[in-house]
Amino acid sequence: QLQLQESGPGLVKPSETLSLTCTVSGGSISSSSYYWGWIRQPPGKGLEWIGSIYYSGSTYYNPSLKSRVTISVDTSKNQFSLKLSSVTAADTAVYYCARHVVIAVAGQDLAWFDPWGQGTLVTVSS
Amino acid sequence: DIQMTQSPSSLSASVGDRVTITCRASQSISSYLNWYQQKPGKAPKLLIYAASSLQSGVPSRFSGSGSGTDFTLTISSLQPEDFATYYCQQSYSTLHTFGQGTKLEIK
Repeated sequence: QLQLQESGPGLVKPSETLSLTCTVSGGSISSSSYYWGWIRQPPGKGLEWIGSIYYSGSTYYNPSLKSRVTISVDTSKNQFSLKLSSVTAADTAVYYCARHVVIAVAGQDLAWFDPWGQGTLVTVSS
Repeated sequence: DIQMTQSPSSLSASVGDRVTITCRASQSISSYLNWYQQKPGKAPKLLIYAASSLQSGVPSRFSGSGSGTDFTLTISSLQPEDFATYYCQQSYSTLHTFGQGTKLEIK
């Protein structure tokens, strides 16, 4: 059974860089069928997709965050990571990692997130 | 960006009720629509993908329908464990976006 687990600091200072890692167990991150994604949820609010990465290193990001986001993959450790720079209080959220299933159908990508990690709360505060 | 709007934002219902939640896209997204359930303090769980395909392990009382801009999630007979927040998500655009959520509460 595939499982994902986020790890990283729970408190980050304003203007610094948020760094999180997602460890995948029960399956290989190098599977050709999947991307791996990050999604966040501010307290009491909805879900926002941040970006996704393929095991080869190919990435795509939410344009609203693209200038501050870097997602990387380490296939030897079966992990992928998120870095978000120049954080502010607006970046306070629960951050989830998830397997991003992508299937090309008629020129479009049918895609969904499953399963998800349990999530980790990151608070931006001095 | 493709905007996803869910209605209602909140809903009160009783065990055994039939419940329908609606998701509307700001442009046609064909059938590139998924539904998730989120319980307090937990990660979202995939229920329905491609508008109407039931994810493995999800009870058959959940169903999805629709295409183009209008979609529905139906729970045929509410069970106590179904009280949660539900989100739709489109993948027609590479900028995947979610609806704002519908909170289903016990009446």
